Amino acid sequence: ETGVTQTPRHLVMGMTNKKSLKCEQHLGHNAMYWYKQSAKKPLELMFVYNFKEQTENNSVPSRFSPECPNSSHLFLHLHTLQPEDSALYLCASSQGEGRHLSGNTIYFGEGSWLTVV
Amino acid sequence: AQSVTQPDIHITVSEGASLELRCNYSYGATPYLFWYVQSPGQGLQLLLKYFSGDTLVQGIKGFEAEFKRSQSSFNLRKPSVHWSDAAEYFCAVGARIETSYDKVIFGPGTSLSVIP
Repeated sequence: ETGVTQTPRHLVMGMTNKKSLKCEQHLGHNAMYWYKQSAKKPLELMFVYNFKEQTENNSVPSRFSPECPNSSHLFLHLHTLQPEDSALYLCASSQGEGRHLSGNTIYFGEGSWLTVV
Repeated sequence: AQSVTQPDIHITVSEGASLELRCNYSYGATPYLFWYVQSPGQGLQLLLKYFSGDTLVQGIKGFEAEFKRSQSSFNLRKPSVHWSDAAEYFCAVGARIETSYDKVIFGPGTSLSVIP
């Protein structure tokens, strides 16, 4: 039990489908993150939300659409994905100090394995 | 901007042997430094972190790391590796920026294999 729960753990979707990944944190943190982890590639930060406000979007294609309705929940809406989007998507949270997220432990969920066919 | 390098992509050690994973960072001030571990099919878990004070930091699972400012390094060590230590290890650095948002940056990772 990590305190960060992701569903589904595995998802197979076609390129024309619309699906969503869900993340919930039970740690009382104010910052939440989406990371993408592909085989043979470094961990890629996609989005950061701090107190429900999106503070980072690392040039992520618009076919990925994040949503953060409150500090405990984070979604990643997926539509018209490409096969190269197949990866492990990790949600994480941390307790920041206002805009400062650099000094705090990041708690990760177990990830959602996405396969685009 | 801060950055993190892990020179070794993959390391193989025998069970019971000692281990050292290298991490170098680039930042002008004293950074916050972390080591995370990722077992296959899992998320990342914090092993240890350094903020200030004693430069030798103890973590979970028998790991330790030493901050060396002169070398801009934060290498991870374990005196005797167990087969269950086989995993991916990530070094990470954070640095406080007073005028804007800051965050933790992860290195590319080092994959550790353990031979029985």
